[in-house]
Amino acid sequence: AQKVTQAQTEISVVEKEDVTLDCVYETRDTTYYLFWYKQPPSGELVFLIRRNSFDEQNEISGRYSWNFQKSTSSFNFTITASQVVDSAVYFCALSERDSSNTGKLIFGQGTTLQVKP
Amino acid sequence: SQTIHQWPATLVQPVGSPLSLECTVEGTSNPNLYWYRQAAGRGLQLLFYSVGIGQISSEVPQNLSASRPQDRQFILSSKKLLLSDSGFYLCAWSVPGTGRTYEQYFGPGTRLTVT
Repeated sequence: AQKVTQAQTEISVVEKEDVTLDCVYETRDTTYYLFWYKQPPSGELVFLIRRNSFDEQNEISGRYSWNFQKSTSSFNFTITASQVVDSAVYFCALSERDSSNTGKLIFGQGTTLQVKP
Repeated sequence: SQTIHQWPATLVQPVGSPLSLECTVEGTSNPNLYWYRQAAGRGLQLLFYSVGIGQISSEVPQNLSASRPQDRQFILSSKKLLLSDSGFYLCAWSVPGTGRTYEQYFGPGTRLTVT
């Protein structure tokens, strides 16, 4: 069965620390997509990144970086030099096996990140 | 550019009252549409999705229903609300993909409190 596990329920760091959010997934598909979303206190989910299973290159966007490793079925997210504005709930998601092109995603339970000043 | 709207932003309704939440998308055509619910401090639960006008699939049996009367309009309804219907309701859209999955874009959400 397809599944996304975010084992870290809550993480608390002090501003300027680096923090890594873990995401482990299970799927039998050879083609799949992985996503990260940010949910700030306002509630709206903000799309951060989409990766396909054929592209294992790590990606960096400013202070954000993503480490995709198929060998360990992980898609971890690192925030460098964290800031208070990074405080949010972060969700990892996996595309569901989908012959009908519904675009459904399987979400992890989320990791709450608190960055203290 | 595409935008997604939801209203109302907040709603307080008594048990047994009806519900209608609306979601509209601008700047795209024939999107896939989704309704999610998020209980306090919990993850996202997919309630309904739609791949076209009048095409609704339910993920979780409950006293909620959804409709898609127009291409870019998605409505979540209930005839009689339960206390357990309280939560944060999010609408999302995505580009339909053939053999691939695109990211979903979410609306601002509706916070529903059933009293």
